[in-house]
Amino acid sequence: KQEVTQIPAALSVPEGENLVLNCSFTDSAIYNLQWFRQDPGKGLTSLLLIQSSQREQTSGRLNASLDKSSGRSTLYIAASQPGDSATYLCASTRAGGTSYGKLTFGQGTILTVHP
Amino acid sequence: GAGVSQSPSNKVTEKGKDVELRCDPISGHTALYWYRQSLGQGLEFLIYFQGNSAPDKSGLPSDRFSAERTGGSVSTLTIQRTQQEDSAVYLCASVTSAYQETQYFGPGTRLLVL
Repeated sequence: KQEVTQIPAALSVPEGENLVLNCSFTDSAIYNLQWFRQDPGKGLTSLLLIQSSQREQTSGRLNASLDKSSGRSTLYIAASQPGDSATYLCASTRAGGTSYGKLTFGQGTILTVHP
Repeated sequence: GAGVSQSPSNKVTEKGKDVELRCDPISGHTALYWYRQSLGQGLEFLIYFQGNSAPDKSGLPSDRFSAERTGGSVSTLTIQRTQQEDSAVYLCASVTSAYQETQYFGPGTRLLVL
């Protein structure tokens, strides 16, 4: 059974800092790995999706990397802003027809960026 | 265009009552997922629909939970004889088809069982 772990559980940084969120998974037979953002009382917003054949994806100030062999993914946020404050979740999809694309989530990292 | 919508946004019920949660996926999305987010367990998969059929119900926690989807569109998650441990946020997600692109999530239904 896939287990996804995120470190740290919470992070507080001053505005402008570059930061890294970590995600590890136990089963390397993944189809893809996704990073989501969740604001308080809201649903999930997709940030980046990395296919298993890819090493990284970038969107604006966000960069996500994937190392299947070591079972790790990182989300790098450059020049953090208070508006980046949210919970960040990583989730993997297992390869194979019977997984049907369902996501296995980590517990999330609560990020606070203070002015 | 319109995203995934869920109703009600909040539901407070008494232990033992039945509740129905509704999900309206993005038009044309054939795959639909239900997840549950609770404080102790994080985000967990409940059930997957492809069209109107549910090939994966493995995440439903007990036989008090059931779900259906009609017309390849709206889905309803029903919880019978609710218990306090059912209190959670129930999230619905849809996608063009399983495995393709990212899943688009609704805002969730916050269920509180007293």
